[in-house]
Amino acid sequence: DAKTTQPTSMDCAEGRAANLPCNHSTISGNEYVYWYRQIHSQGPQYIIHGLKNNETNEMASLIITEDRKSSTLILPHATLRDTAVYYCIVRPLGGKLIFGQGTELSVKP
Amino acid sequence: DAGITQSPRYKITETGRQVTLMCHQTWSHSYMFWYRQDLGHGLRLIYYSAAADITDKGEVPDGYVVSRSKTENFPLTLESATRSQTSVYFCASSDMVREQYFGPGTRLTVT
Repeated sequence: DAKTTQPTSMDCAEGRAANLPCNHSTISGNEYVYWYRQIHSQGPQYIIHGLKNNETNEMASLIITEDRKSSTLILPHATLRDTAVYYCIVRPLGGKLIFGQGTELSVKP
Repeated sequence: DAGITQSPRYKITETGRQVTLMCHQTWSHSYMFWYRQDLGHGLRLIYYSAAADITDKGEVPDGYVVSRSKTENFPLTLESATRSQTSVYFCASSDMVREQYFGPGTRLTVT
């Protein structure tokens, strides 16, 4: 499975967009980009996933570069409840999730 | 209620004791997973199961045993608990192609 690189931590002001980057330069053609988050002491929560095209759901948007070597998760209007560790994972459909260290996002008032 | 549940939520046990962590899901998902989470290591896969009676090792299987006699249950057993197995354990389930859904976790302390 391809490896991902994320910044260790980021800050965001409440109400502003949070843009979380992820590098996955060794991604294979059949691997999807998944994003999960983990709020303190809770189980991880699925956010979004994509293959090539940009994706949007009620939680977030996922922008994948044309060469698929990097992506950005966008939380359009961050709230204090979005403070969490965000994990970017690449895997084929049905493949195992391998969690890295993720990005610790702090949303500040 | 539909979902994925884990029991117990908190457990303290002594070194050498056998302890079983339970995981139950109501979606009839074919896949189930066990992870442990320790400070500095993130989430690591212990075992997973693709269907009833089919299990496979993950990254850190030593010291653990799993079984899957029914689709909805995936118990994790520590046959002889050690202090290094003090951790938070998460169970998850998914169907073949969709995202994984995680339980609330079991916090296990081995003294």
